[in-house]
Amino acid sequence: DAKTTQPNSMESNEEEPVHLPCNHSTISGTDYIHWYRQLPSQGPEYVIHGLTSNVNNRMASLAIAEDRKSSTLILHRATLRDAAVYYCMHSGGGADGLTFGKGTHLIIQP
Amino acid sequence: DAGVTQSPTHLIKTRGQHVTLRCSPISGHKSVSWYQQVLGQGPQFIFQYYEKEERGRGNFPDRFSARQFPNYSSELNVNALLLGDSALYLCASSLYASGNTGELFFGEGSRLTVL
Repeated sequence: DAKTTQPNSMESNEEEPVHLPCNHSTISGTDYIHWYRQLPSQGPEYVIHGLTSNVNNRMASLAIAEDRKSSTLILHRATLRDAAVYYCMHSGGGADGLTFGKGTHLIIQP
Repeated sequence: DAGVTQSPTHLIKTRGQHVTLRCSPISGHKSVSWYQQVLGQGPQFIFQYYEKEERGRGNFPDRFSARQFPNYSSELNVNALLLGDSALYLCASSLYASGNTGELFFGEGSRLTVL
């Protein structure tokens, strides 16, 4: 199993940046790093993914450590709608699916 | 545009029965994956189908089976239901078989309760 380690929960204030850490020390050289989030009563939602270089999209930024054993998801300006469980995973891209852990429960305070 | 649709949204079964869950992927997507999410846990991979062929299988017993139809919709079947099969069953579609080439789009799931 492709295992990652994330804090169980984090709390942040609205309109402030949020940095969500993830450790993936068993990652192999060809594995991509994926982040999804799941809002209450909904299916998971794609956030971002990357291989080596830092990645940006309209939702977030992904900062990948040089040794690729850790990464950080950055929400630049959190809103109440960003309150969710955030999952970090790594995958070789085969047909074995994504291995979700328990994720980080992000709480946003108004 | 319609997202991934799943049916039924909720259902209740008793132990020993079987259940069929259905999924329609996003138009143009050829890959469908199934995940099981038990309360308080992250989703667990069950199957992936691409172009109507099984491409991947997670660590689930043979009571779980699936298929993909020519229109790329999919069914997940679970036989001889156990109490532990109570979960949210999620379907995800994607353009390609490999998850590294893009995102998975998840439906809202089918909530199965086994009594």
